[in-house]
Amino acid sequence: DTEVTQTPKHLVMGMTNKKSLKCEQHMGHRAMYWYKQKAKKPPELMFVYSYEKLSINESVPSRFSPECPNSSLLNLHLHALQPEDSALYLCASSQEGLLGYTFGSGTRLTVV
Amino acid sequence: GQQVMQIPQYQHVQEGEDFTTYCNSSTTLSNIQWYKQRPGGHPVFLIQLVKSGEVKKQKRLTFQFGEAKKNSSLHITATQTTDVGTYFCADYDYKLSFGAGTTVTVRA
Repeated sequence: DTEVTQTPKHLVMGMTNKKSLKCEQHMGHRAMYWYKQKAKKPPELMFVYSYEKLSINESVPSRFSPECPNSSLLNLHLHALQPEDSALYLCASSQEGLLGYTFGSGTRLTVV
Repeated sequence: GQQVMQIPQYQHVQEGEDFTTYCNSSTTLSNIQWYKQRPGGHPVFLIQLVKSGEVKKQKRLTFQFGEAKKNSSLHITATQTTDVGTYFCADYDYKLSFGAGTTVTVRA
C-alpha cells in the first residue's frame, strides 16, 4: 500500500462546529505532516509528527489541534474556525524526508 | 526551511515545445525536491537532488542542481497535454518548504 488516505474528501462546517480530519498511511513511514493549501498557493506546513510525537508546530492557531493516535493515523481536530480557514488540507507522510513525501488527496474544507 | 523563489509563475507552452522552470535561493540549499500537482489534485513527488551539479532524467523531464547548490531547474522537452499542472520545487532542511510554483498550461 503506497497511499495516504484522507477523509472526508469535502467538509462544510459552521464557525461554531467541531469536526475532525483523518489521515491514514500503511507504508510504515515514521513521519506525518499536515499542510494547508489556499487556491493558487503552495502548501504551507502546519504540523510535523515524528515517531508519533509532535516535533514541529508552525505557530498554528489553537483552533487547529493535531493528534497522532498511532504510527499509521493522524487527525486534525477543528474547533471555532473562521471563514479564512477554508482551504485544502493535505496530509503527508515520509520515511525519511530526503526520500520525498507522499501526499493524500486532501480534504477540501469550507467554513461558513 | 529556506525560502526558494520560482520563475516563471506561469508558463504557457505550445504542445511539442520545450520549456524550463527555475528555482533560486539566496543561500545554499541542503537538497531540492520537485513535485507536480495536477489541477484539482495533490502534490506528487517527482525527484530529489542532493549533490552539487547533479543531473537526473525522467523520460522527458531533466532536473538539475546548481554547482553552488543555490538553484535548480526542471526542463521538459516535447511538452504534452499530460504535463499540465503546477510544478513546485521544495527545499528540505528537516522540513519541506515549497516555492510558489510554476503553473503550466499547454496549447494543443
